[in-house]
Amino acid sequence: GENVEQHPSTLSVQEGDSAVIKCTYSDSASNYFPWYKQELGKGPQLIIDIRSNVGEKKDQRIAVTLNKTAKHFSLHITETQPEDSAVYFCAARETGTASKLTFGTGTRLQVTL
Amino acid sequence: NAGVTQTPKFQVLKTGQSMTLQCAQDMNHNSMYWYRQDPGMGLRLIYYSASEGTTDKGEVPNGYNVSRLNKREFSLRLESAAPSQTSVYFCASTPQLQGNYGYTFGSGTRLTVV
Repeated sequence: GENVEQHPSTLSVQEGDSAVIKCTYSDSASNYFPWYKQELGKGPQLIIDIRSNVGEKKDQRIAVTLNKTAKHFSLHITETQPEDSAVYFCAARETGTASKLTFGTGTRLQVTL
Repeated sequence: NAGVTQTPKFQVLKTGQSMTLQCAQDMNHNSMYWYRQDPGMGLRLIYYSASEGTTDKGEVPNGYNVSRLNKREFSLRLESAAPSQTSVYFCASTPQLQGNYGYTFGSGTRLTVV
C-alpha cells in the first residue's frame, strides 16, 4: 500500500515568515494529494489539494507544489499569522478499486509573535 | 448543515468494557471512514464503508467492529476495550470512494481505557 512520510514533525516560525512542509509518497500511481489543518480539539479540515496533472496550486497565502518524478509534494504558507498555528497533515490517495487516503504523521506549526 | 457528527466527545472505559462510537453525516455521502489518531503516528484507517451495506478493513482493524446502519450512520464498536485503544477517533465521509474527493471529518471522540 501507499506510504507517506512528512517532515518536519515540528516547525516554529516568526509571524510574517514563510513555512514549508514536505511530504514524500511511495505509490507512483497516486494521483490526489490533499492537505489538512487540524486545530486543537477539532477534526482535520481540508485546506488545499492538488491533482497529479497539475504542478502547483495556490489559494491566497497557501500553495502546494507537486513533483511526480521525485514523488514529493509540499505545502507553502506565506506571511504566516498566529491563526496558522495548528497541526498540518498531508495525504495521498491510493489507486485501485478501494481507493483511500493515506496520511502523513503531521507537522505541528507554531507561529510566534 | 451539521456535516459529520460524532458522539460521545469524551469517554473513559475500564479494560474489558465495551462501547460503540456513533457517527452520522447529513451530506448524502456514500463513503464513510473510521480513523484513529495517536501522537507521532498520524491518522490510521481502522475500517471504511464504500457504500451503504458494505464495510472493509483498513490498516488497524484488530479489536474493532463496524456497522453501516444506513447511508447516514457508521458506528465503531469496541467489544473488549484495551489500554492500547486509548486514542482519538475520527469519523469521516466523502461523496464516494472513487474520485478525488477530500474527506469531511467529525470533531472526534477522545477515548481513554484504564
